[in-house]
Amino acid sequence: QLQLQESGPGLVKPSETLSLTCTVSGDSISSSAYSWGWVRQPPGKGREWVASISYSGSTFYNPSLRSRVTISVDTSKNQFSLELSSVTAADTAIYYCVRPNILSVVHSWFDPWGQGTLVTVSS
Amino acid sequence: QSVLTQPASVSGSPGQSITISCTGSISDIGYYKYVSWYQQHPGKAPKLMIFDVSDRPSGVPHRFSGSKSGNTASLTISGLQAEDEAEYFCSSYSSVALVVFGGGTKVTVL
Repeated sequence: QLQLQESGPGLVKPSETLSLTCTVSGDSISSSAYSWGWVRQPPGKGREWVASISYSGSTFYNPSLRSRVTISVDTSKNQFSLELSSVTAADTAIYYCVRPNILSVVHSWFDPWGQGTLVTVSS
Repeated sequence: QSVLTQPASVSGSPGQSITISCTGSISDIGYYKYVSWYQQHPGKAPKLMIFDVSDRPSGVPHRFSGSKSGNTASLTISGLQAEDEAEYFCSSYSSVALVVFGGGTKVTVL
């Protein structure tokens, strides 16, 4: 059974870079035709898709975050990562790692999800 | 504000049926069949309940069903049970933003 677990600092200073890692267990990140992604939820607000990377290495970014976000895969560690630069208080959120089902560019569903990790942007 | 609109809360008694709506536009729900629904209990990871408008993943009870009409998708829980008390949110593929989500609906079992 595929499981995802987020890790990273819970507090990031404004203007710095937020870096999160998702560890995949239950399968090899490189042996299956899986895609990977991130979704976030600011306090008291709805969810927002952040980024995805397909099994072929194609990357997809939320247009509103495109200039600041990078998603990547580390097959040697069975992990994938998110970097969000120049953060502000508006980037404070619970960040979830997810496995999206991607058909060409269409993201049809997300399963499974990690438990989520709260990242606060504050000095 | 979320792109997809859901009611903040819905309630029902055990055994009753409830329906949660998720309203979007022609750029997402209205044109594509890629609507999914998720259940999230407090402190837990979200769980996929419905995908591609009306398909159920293996293991999801048959009392959960999905449908779509125009720009609005719906999740119906028939025979409501105490363990169904949770937050439910919808998602859709979007030709504008790739992925959009609803704000979430809290379901209370009276």
